[in-house]
Amino acid sequence: NFMLTQPHSVSESPGKTVTISCTRSSGSIASNYVQWYQQRPGSAPTTVIYEDNQRPSGVPDRFSGSIDSSSNSASLTISGLKTEDEADYYCQSYDSSNWVFGGGTKLTVL
Amino acid sequence: QVTLRESGPALVKPTQTLTLTCTFSGFSLSTSGMCVSWIRQPPGKALEWLALIDWDDDKYYSTSLKTRLTISKDTSKNQVVLTMTNMDPVDTATYYCARITHYDKAFDPWGQGTLVTVSS
Repeated sequence: NFMLTQPHSVSESPGKTVTISCTRSSGSIASNYVQWYQQRPGSAPTTVIYEDNQRPSGVPDRFSGSIDSSSNSASLTISGLKTEDEADYYCQSYDSSNWVFGGGTKLTVL
Repeated sequence: QVTLRESGPALVKPTQTLTLTCTFSGFSLSTSGMCVSWIRQPPGKALEWLALIDWDDDKYYSTSLKTRLTISKDTSKNQVVLTMTNMDPVDTATYYCARITHYDKAFDPWGQGTLVTVSS
């Protein structure tokens, strides 16, 4: 089984850009899709990026996803930060009948 | 519109068995590729995948919890049931069910979640 490691927290000012990383411990990050979920307090997670870099309808194009095989990691980038982006973000991937979530990153927009 | 809703007891005692039901609409679990999964989140902590059942009735479990979990489906009722035995206070969490349309795709959408507290 593999693990996905995220920074515990990040903070940035409104209007700026922030990137959240998600590093896979074993196996290739490119071998299975990575998803990103946003979770606001008291609410269920919702998808902001699926299949590495696809945005569901209704998610602003300020959200983008990518993978980097050299660092075996995925990244979620949010540009033009808004206070409403303040939330917890989780990466998730799959391999060999095992679904794994990262530990989550708390994004503070201040 | 796809929706899922979790139901079950809000409080269970240590050593008891928890039974949760996920009732869904807007899709059929007999459609090829379709799956329903259970995920939990202890208060203030991260999401943890628990179990998944697919359209072909194949079942998959978290390695760390597999001895305590059983997942099943009733396609005619559009329900998926999760049982967890020997509950402990560390199992206190919000339990979510979610749809997934292929093993390698996103959990989407999620139910609202149900908080289960384990306490005597």
